Amino acid sequence: DAGVTQSPTHLIKTRGQQVTLRCSPKSGHDTVSWYQQALGQGPQFIFQYYEEEERQRGNFPDRFSGHQYPNYSSELNVNALLLGDSALYLCASRRDRGRPGTKKDTQYFGPGTRLTVL
Amino acid sequence: GENVEQHPSTLSVQEGDSAVIKCTYSDSASNYFPWYKQELGKGPQLIIDIRSNVGEKKDQRIAVTLNKTAKHFSLHITETQPEDSAVYFCAANRQAGTALIFGKGTTLSVSS
Repeated sequence: DAGVTQSPTHLIKTRGQQVTLRCSPKSGHDTVSWYQQALGQGPQFIFQYYEEEERQRGNFPDRFSGHQYPNYSSELNVNALLLGDSALYLCASRRDRGRPGTKKDTQYFGPGTRLTVL
Repeated sequence: GENVEQHPSTLSVQEGDSAVIKCTYSDSASNYFPWYKQELGKGPQLIIDIRSNVGEKKDQRIAVTLNKTAKHFSLHITETQPEDSAVYFCAANRQAGTALIFGKGTTLSVSS
């Protein structure tokens, strides 16, 4: 059973460019969240996707946008890159639909994509 | 909004000793508290979690305690081993499946 996968593992961009990061959730999971982790810090929530719609958003500018596909995979897009966008971008998945009483809290993280903006 | 504070930021122990990491949260409505372990170059891995209707949970050498009145929860690792060396994060959220709010992490070093 594959866990959460992300691509690419590393990426180098220059200021002003645009980037797309990809995530495939754990098998059986239908909800994907994206987090940004700056060096030496805890992950910060960007947004969450469920049923192909953004369901919750953290305190990030509109330059950060996303998409979820019918197969539950997701993309994170960042436009007009800034130096401060350099970070590890993490995808986490969980199962929202389930039997009554199913624990929906548990989120599993992927290995992340290391983005460096020069 | 929710704020999670984590202490200490670094912790060094000898192999076989116990390690304790503490977190406090601000939102009394928070009801789910996971702990993640992150090794160098990897994503966070869930090691244990606790919900607000439980005061303590144990899984082999790892235990978590929750004090809802004081709004703090702690991770206890007994009989530490060098492979326990990593960064540990606590987190909290208010509603099932919503955004996790993380602490800043504790770097645990276990020396043999």
